[in-house]
Amino acid sequence: DSGVTQTPKHLITATGQRVTLRCSPRSGDLSVYWYQQSLDQGLQFLIQYYNGEERAKGNILERFSAQQFPDLHSELNLSSLELGDSALYFCASSVGSGGASEQYFGPGTRLTVT
Amino acid sequence: GENVEQHPSTLSVQEGDSAVIKCTYSDSASNYFPWYKQELGKGPQLIIDIRSNVGEKKDQRIAVTLNKTAKHFSLHITETQPEDSAVYFCAPPSGGSYIPTFGRGTSLIVHP
Repeated sequence: DSGVTQTPKHLITATGQRVTLRCSPRSGDLSVYWYQQSLDQGLQFLIQYYNGEERAKGNILERFSAQQFPDLHSELNLSSLELGDSALYFCASSVGSGGASEQYFGPGTRLTVT
Repeated sequence: GENVEQHPSTLSVQEGDSAVIKCTYSDSASNYFPWYKQELGKGPQLIIDIRSNVGEKKDQRIAVTLNKTAKHFSLHITETQPEDSAVYFCAPPSGGSYIPTFGRGTSLIVHP
């Protein structure tokens, strides 16, 4: 158990809908990272927050947004969902703000868009 | 950004054999070189990492070696066991932006 929690574990929704994925980092970690994992694209970095502020951005679509709250939990919002958004979404946390920090991954949320 | 390649994409070995996975990267400013293991249905887990001021690091049956000149680092697993079967990812962050870049993964299959 990494200490990172993600909810829900599974999510099935229809195209055009909006969903929110939630992540609680390990106690003491200030950084939260979001990743998308699909069979054809591998593990893609989406966005990182450090202590409530956006720190780094990857290939995140404009339809996707995220935030980190004062209690350090984070939410990833996915809107106008398309079939291609079906994937595993992981969050990870680390103590530091830079990429050279050990990241602890949660168990993931499997999103299926029908 | 960082361009990361992993080889091989699939590796099949007999229990007790050694396994080596290689990761090449493009950003010469990278200074942190981790390897993650992802078991089926789980998130990736860091198994070993190395920083640019050392050339090799060992932890029991696993080791990582770094060649900064050639811009590659490798994961070595000795005396493989069936529970080593998983997908392994390298993830060197780009030195400038620190954006994590994961390789495409290597599926290691250890046959009993």
